[in-house]
Amino acid sequence: GAGVSQSPRYKVAKRGQDVALRCDPISGHVSLFWYQQALGQGPEFLTYFQNEAQLDKSGLPSDRFFAERPEGSVSTLKIQRTQQEDSAVYLCASSIRDSSTDTQYFGPGTRLTVL
Amino acid sequence: GENVEQHPSTLSVQEGDSAVIKCTYSDSASNYFPWYKQELGKGPQLIIDIRSNVGEKKDQRIAVTLNKTAKHFSLHITETQPEDSAVYFCAASFPGGYQKVTFGTGTKLQVIP
Repeated sequence: GAGVSQSPRYKVAKRGQDVALRCDPISGHVSLFWYQQALGQGPEFLTYFQNEAQLDKSGLPSDRFFAERPEGSVSTLKIQRTQQEDSAVYLCASSIRDSSTDTQYFGPGTRLTVL
Repeated sequence: GENVEQHPSTLSVQEGDSAVIKCTYSDSASNYFPWYKQELGKGPQLIIDIRSNVGEKKDQRIAVTLNKTAKHFSLHITETQPEDSAVYFCAASFPGGYQKVTFGTGTKLQVIP
């Protein structure tokens, strides 16, 4: 079946612009995660959804970052007034349940470049 | 919070040799340790994992070991092949609902044919 998909794959924004990044998880997966991966680093947790409920947003760097998953499937990560330090790959992952040992399946990521 | 350190940052081996990547974690409550392989332009892919009630796990050419007392765990790849070339990440997760993982900084493995 289809894996996790993300769009766009690449996004270039001018500083101060708003961007929206989309994640289509594997159908039926309860859990959805967003990560930020800076160049040469490991992914860093941003936020977690269990179905439509955002249960953990402790990793969001600032109030310019906002995520939603209104119907418990597709999720959008929005970044307002982008800054150069927001340049990174944004990864989405989903897992079938909300267990601490379920496999997370990652999408290919969206590479955001802020000029 | 949890802190995961990973060494080495780069590793070059000849095809057929073994590769070992080592990680340490700080939170003794962590109980689940996945390893991911990330190829260029792709998201991380789980290759093997280990839980804290197990000391070693093997899957074909890949094995992981866990020392809870010392809080370190390692990935061993035997008979390396060029297709093993990628960036490998260790990670740690603690119990309590969903899997909130902390990743290491990655090891870029190059297998030389």
